[in-house]
Amino acid sequence: NAGVTQTPKFRILKIGQSMTLQCTQDMNHNYMYWYRQDPGMGLKLIYYSVGAGITDKGEVPNGYNVSRSTTEDFPLRLELAAPSQTSVYFCASSPGTSSLEQYFGPGTRLTVT
Amino acid sequence: GQQVMQIPQYQHVQEGEDFTTYCNSSTTLSNIQWYKQRPGGHPVFLIQLVKSGEVKKQKRLTFQFGEAKKNSSLHITATQTTDVGTYFCAGRRNTGKLIFGQGTTLQVKP
Repeated sequence: NAGVTQTPKFRILKIGQSMTLQCTQDMNHNYMYWYRQDPGMGLKLIYYSVGAGITDKGEVPNGYNVSRSTTEDFPLRLELAAPSQTSVYFCASSPGTSSLEQYFGPGTRLTVT
Repeated sequence: GQQVMQIPQYQHVQEGEDFTTYCNSSTTLSNIQWYKQRPGGHPVFLIQLVKSGEVKKQKRLTFQFGEAKKNSSLHITATQTTDVGTYFCAGRRNTGKLIFGQGTTLQVKP
């Protein structure tokens, strides 16, 4: 199993541009999450999903959108990128209610200038 | 605001010394998880504590969950250079959401 994979690894965006961060997991996990991590800070939950077709907001959803059309994929969309969205983005998945440890992808480092 | 606080934010120790990080929540938690993130890496799950007063050990690492289920600690005995990284606690509230602390970054001098 590849686990959780994320693309791209790095990206530089200009203010106002849009992009999609890709996340795929091959563990058949129901739960998937998007976090952002700012320097010296913990992880802030952006959006999460408890299964295909179901998404919900986390702590910091503004400026982002998600979709979950399949169990495997959970893309994060940034519309009208702003410098405040410069961060490292982590996607994670977990099996479900019986075992809720989260498995993280390698992250995408995004810079908005 | 921040609902799960971790202290200290940074800790430098000499190799062989012990290390402890503390995690405190303003509300009762249903469980707490600990993760380790190596420099430039991603968080990796270490352990989950569920019961009041629970203590679990993984080799040199000892994890505790407080009696009131509002605080937790991670203690590393005789640190090694491989212990370098940031340790995060993550508390799960009854709403089901996981709230991460800001982490404790450990540096170990050989």
